[in-house]
Amino acid sequence: GQQVMQIPQYQHVQEGEDFTTYCNSSTTLSNIQWYKQRPGGHPVFLIQLVKSGEVKKQKRLTFQFGEAKKNSSLHITATQTTDVGTYFCAGWFGNEKLTFGTGTRLTIIP
Amino acid sequence: GAVVSQHPSRVICKSGTSVKIECRSLDFQATTMFWYRQFPKQSLMLMATSNEGSKATYEQGVEKDKFLINHASLTLSTLTVTSAHPEDSSFYICSAEGRRGPSYEQYFGPGTRLTVT
Repeated sequence: GQQVMQIPQYQHVQEGEDFTTYCNSSTTLSNIQWYKQRPGGHPVFLIQLVKSGEVKKQKRLTFQFGEAKKNSSLHITATQTTDVGTYFCAGWFGNEKLTFGTGTRLTIIP
Repeated sequence: GAVVSQHPSRVICKSGTSVKIECRSLDFQATTMFWYRQFPKQSLMLMATSNEGSKATYEQGVEKDKFLINHASLTLSTLTVTSAHPEDSSFYICSAEGRRGPSYEQYFGPGTRLTVT
């Protein structure tokens, strides 16, 4: 079936260090979305990428969609304690169902 | 941005009873709503897709007679966990689909934490 894998599963970084999470699909995605879920909270939409090779930035966050539209990454520069949470990618495969990745749990060491 | 509410936020029930969870889109009409289940420290697992005025589409392995979904209006979908058992304890999250440009975006409710004793 259609699966979206995400690595790493966990990431502990010192405050101020960078962080990257990677998302991979075995089949081509129509588009990919990224969500952040704070501990005890619900997923909150961050961004959507549609075009091959697309790069979007939101302040310290950089999102990238691969040329083949099978992978994506989220990079956070100079992490802050407010970045704590689980980051999920979620892909549309052209059907009407959003498939979530396994998530990367980010913890920050002050 | 779009707002989705979910009620109740927490519920504790006894084994064998039924629990109804409501999901409402507050400021937009959602023809499609989704119900997810999330176990601790795990990803969201889609349970079913709910379309207004029609029967829900359940994912493989989800018992439709146990998890009853009703989408009676463009702003309300309900999930009823019938004859709940401790293994049904989980975090249930709904989302409502809204259009953003050429693509669709999901707006998530705050979730309902169900504990079955």
